[in-house]
Amino acid sequence: DGGITQSPKYLFRKEGQNVTLSCEQNLNHDAMYWYRQDPGQGLRLIYYSQIVNDFQKGDIAEGYSVSREKKESFPLTVTSAQKNPTAFYLCASSKDRGRNQPQHFGDGTRLSIL
Amino acid sequence: DAKTTQPNSMESNEEEPVHLPCNHSTISGTDYIHWYRQLPSQGPEYVIHGLTSNVNNRMASLAIAEDRKSSTLILHRATLRDAAVYYCILRSDYKLSFGAGTTVTVRA
Repeated sequence: DGGITQSPKYLFRKEGQNVTLSCEQNLNHDAMYWYRQDPGQGLRLIYYSQIVNDFQKGDIAEGYSVSREKKESFPLTVTSAQKNPTAFYLCASSKDRGRNQPQHFGDGTRLSIL
Repeated sequence: DAKTTQPNSMESNEEEPVHLPCNHSTISGTDYIHWYRQLPSQGPEYVIHGLTSNVNNRMASLAIAEDRKSSTLILHRATLRDAAVYYCILRSDYKLSFGAGTTVTVRA
């Protein structure tokens, strides 16, 4: 079945450590997104990518970095500069970035601080 | 983004229809109406979307008012697996922005 796979499901970060969250899709989608969801709050866009080797900052990009070297993969690195990283991180993809295109989500990675 | 207003919660009995309202009085002419749902500790799931006409798919129906200032998501026969938070979203660009949504409870 086509879909989006996020790993790991749970991740713990130590002070001063960078961690990388994996996102892989086999839907042949051009656009991919990273969102953050905090308890009781909605989604906030971290980064998005319209096409391979291109990505743009979202609303809360500070302390995060991404790469898009392959169409299928869009990993997110949470750097030590992100002072409040505890959250539920969601990766999504869509055929393109049009407003009529549904976004399909993975099951998320829950990041906590040790 | 234009704002949507949804009830905080709704209850339904299993195998009965569920009608979830959404008000969006400031919708612009090019905004698409999207619905997603989310179970606890899972990623959101796309349900349905539309622009002006009513839409049906295997999961639900979307009824859009003629003036587009409101819409209703219809789950025709609720099952226990339909218990989730349902989000009504207006999309004017590439971003998704969820509000508080409606928590749907299904009674067996």
